[in-house]
Amino acid sequence: AQSVAQPEDQVNVAEGNPLTVKCTYSVSGNPYLFWYVQYPNRGLQFLLKYITGDNLVKGSYGFEAEFNKSQTSFHLKKPSALVSDSALYFCAVRGGGGNKLTFGTGTQLKVEL
Amino acid sequence: ETGVTQSPTHLIKTRGQQVTLRCSSQSGHNTVSWYQQALGQGPQFIFQYYREEENGRGNFPPRFSGLQFPNYSSELNVNALELDDSALYLCASSLAGTGSTEAFFGQGTRLTVV
Repeated sequence: AQSVAQPEDQVNVAEGNPLTVKCTYSVSGNPYLFWYVQYPNRGLQFLLKYITGDNLVKGSYGFEAEFNKSQTSFHLKKPSALVSDSALYFCAVRGGGGNKLTFGTGTQLKVEL
Repeated sequence: ETGVTQSPTHLIKTRGQQVTLRCSSQSGHNTVSWYQQALGQGPQFIFQYYREEENGRGNFPPRFSGLQFPNYSSELNVNALELDDSALYLCASSLAGTGSTEAFFGQGTRLTVV
């Protein structure tokens, strides 16, 4: 069975500071990893994905994520946070050959002035 | 915004009733998945449809059923509604492949069962 853990329910950061949202996963075989963002009363928006290759993946809105196979982690990062980044962030994994996405419980990011 | 549209956006039903939710997939996408997102939780996989057939199912009872049509649009049907079925139901479309393709989500249907 595949699973995702997001250990922090909420992350608070000041605007302009770097942010990190943590994610660890468990899956059989090679993982396909994804980050999505959800704004209030909206669906999920795709941010970025890791399939293979370079461990640092760049995505939308200046976000990037670092894949670490030995630590089974896929942390989301941004060098300089914006107030508009405040939202609910979900990490998801899909096992190789599988068809379902398994999501974490989400991390609420709050960026303050 | 993605090209995935869901209807209706909000719905209130009574326990025991049946409900049908609809989804139009993004142009060019041939696979549709449905997810249930309870309040404060991450989305949970219900099932996926490809070529009009169910192609994977999560841990949901048979009263959750679906259809996919030749134009790749889809329906989610839930019979004998229970209070715990109250949630945001998300439809996602993607291209069939090795699993590396990202899914694009609609805005969801908020179902309230009273």
